[in-house]
Amino acid sequence: AQSVTQPDIHITVSEGASLELRCNYSYGATPYLFWYVQSPGQGLQLLLKYFSGDTLVQGIKGFEAEFKRSQSSFNLRKPSVHWSDAAEYFCAVGANSGGSNYKLTFGKGTLLTVNP
Amino acid sequence: DSGVTQTPKHLITATGQRVTLRCSPRSGDLSVYWYQQSLDQGLQFLIQYYNGEERAKGNILERFSAQQFPDLHSELNLSSLELGDSALYFCASSVDPQGAGYTFGSGTRLTVV
Repeated sequence: AQSVTQPDIHITVSEGASLELRCNYSYGATPYLFWYVQSPGQGLQLLLKYFSGDTLVQGIKGFEAEFKRSQSSFNLRKPSVHWSDAAEYFCAVGANSGGSNYKLTFGKGTLLTVNP
Repeated sequence: DSGVTQTPKHLITATGQRVTLRCSPRSGDLSVYWYQQSLDQGLQFLIQYYNGEERAKGNILERFSAQQFPDLHSELNLSSLELGDSALYFCASSVDPQGAGYTFGSGTRLTVV
């Protein structure tokens, strides 16, 4: 069965600093990989996704992620963090749950705090 | 607004009761997914429907059931509620059964007292 590990429960960065959120997955085949962001009291918003092709994926809000098959990783990065980026970030792997159907398995999330 | 509508936003009910959560998917999306988010379990996949048919089941309790109607809206029924069922329940939709990037609703927060 597929699984996702986000090793960092909570990360604090200063505004303007760079950010990297780690994600490791376990899945036997080529995965579909996603990053979502959840602000307090809100639903999950898709930041970016990887299906195939270029391993460096650009997303919304200036985020990018790099798929590294050899490390089973899909880390999220941003060169300069803004205070509005404070939220919880979830990595997810899409796996075939039978036939042509997919379900997303989520990591436990990383809470990002941004200091002024 | 993501286009996925969930009602109600908040629900407080007593143990042993039954509630129904409703989800209207984004226009044109045929797949609906239900997830439960709790502090200890994180985001857990419950069930998926595609065009009215059940397609995949996850960690859904027998006390819970769901269906998708001809107009594609979906309902999640939770019965014999326990304190541990208190959680955020999310609905997501996608245009295809492969779920190539879900769109999530803003959730229903269920509190069982």
